[in-house]
Amino acid sequence: ETAVFQTPNYHVTQVGNEVSFNCKQTLGHDTMYWYKQDSKKLLKIMFSYNNKQLIVNETVPRRFSPQSSDKAHLNLRIKSVEPEDSAVYLCASSLGNERLFFGHGTKLSVL
Amino acid sequence: QQKVQQSPESLSVPEGGMASLNCTSSDRNFQYFWWYRQHSGEGPKALMSIFSDGDKKEGRFTAHLNKASLHVSLHIRDSQPSDSALYFCAATSSGSWQLIFGSGTQLTVMP
Repeated sequence: ETAVFQTPNYHVTQVGNEVSFNCKQTLGHDTMYWYKQDSKKLLKIMFSYNNKQLIVNETVPRRFSPQSSDKAHLNLRIKSVEPEDSAVYLCASSLGNERLFFGHGTKLSVL
Repeated sequence: QQKVQQSPESLSVPEGGMASLNCTSSDRNFQYFWWYRQHSGEGPKALMSIFSDGDKKEGRFTAHLNKASLHVSLHIRDSQPSDSALYFCAATSSGSWQLIFGSGTQLTVMP
């Protein structure tokens, strides 16, 4: 069953637009993540958020920013999308360093 | 170069057969290994973890870790068509927030 919920499932937009993706977990976990999965299915971690502490992968462009209202929510905002941002964005959560639970992903297409 | 490398890229086995997947790390700091499975259209799901040298068995799945050679393998006996998926090896080091994923092995189980 799904316990990490992502919306929308798909989003199509044009270069330069701003987009925002939502993620909510109902597992009571203390850590949430955003991963990017590219067209070759490679998974790259983007952000981790734990106890109001944000850890950023230094390779992530500055136009990406996570937004959290509480430990059950971690949204992802992209200020000005570029073609290389087309990918599936996966949200996940965990309790400490235990196994990650992933959502189904949001597929972004940038035209 | 990826820190976690998987082989083969793709694998086909007959239903009821044994599937063997391999994973090698190039970072000696990695001490904790996971296997995840991703069915099409879904997020990855954790199968099992292995942290100690030797074998760990969970149902039809057996993981093997050799820390000296930084090699992890996953063996699936009595493979079923529902096992057809993309399998990821993932690794992390003590105290790290980052779970690093390999490039994946696409497994197809033929009925």
